[in-house]
Amino acid sequence: QKEVEQNSGPLSVPEGAIASLNCTYSDRVSQSFFWYRQYSGKSPELIMSIYSNGDKEDGRFTAQLNKASQYVSLLIRDSQPSDSATYLCAVMNNYGQNFVFGPGTRLSVLP
Amino acid sequence: EAGVAQSPRYKIIEKRQSVAFWCNPISGHATLYWYQQILGQGPKLLIQFQNNGVVDDSQLPKDRFSAERLKGVDSTLKIQPAKLEDSAVYLCASSLGRGRLGHTGELFFGEGSRLTVL
Repeated sequence: QKEVEQNSGPLSVPEGAIASLNCTYSDRVSQSFFWYRQYSGKSPELIMSIYSNGDKEDGRFTAQLNKASQYVSLLIRDSQPSDSATYLCAVMNNYGQNFVFGPGTRLSVLP
Repeated sequence: EAGVAQSPRYKIIEKRQSVAFWCNPISGHATLYWYQQILGQGPKLLIQFQNNGVVDDSQLPKDRFSAERLKGVDSTLKIQPAKLEDSAVYLCASSLGRGRLGHTGELFFGEGSRLTVL
């Protein structure tokens, strides 16, 4: 089983701050990387995808990928209480296979 | 557009009993996944289907778990006999996925089936 690791948290940040979530993966052939958000008692939903080294921004979210370091991160700017959820890092190989999730990081944004 | 449908939502059984979960993916989605999510953990892939063929079942405990996707549409996941450690939410997801170029990585999840084994 290919490994995807994340800090379990909880990560607590005040409202308006930047939340930084990190993920490392073990399989060097992984080519596609994703961040899913999962609210308590709900199913995961995709919020960001990234395929190339560097940064990708979408609204308040920025995903960062460094394949050499096998590291992917998610930054959430101007964090809101509604961002409080578990954030799951996921990786996939070149053929749409081995879609593996990490254990998730629980984020709590304090009003 | 209708989402991924799963049933039952909740199931309570005693150990050594059997249980079956059903999933109907989004129309036209070729790829179907079953994940097991134990409380406080990330989803663990049990099996991936591409149409009606198995792509990956390396983490499926085949001595007690079985899954099928007849006709490449809906799917069933069965556990027989159940153990206490099978208590979890069983998530079904689907995607358009047809290899790297056709796979956006967006999995659409159903609401899940919560299993409690006593």
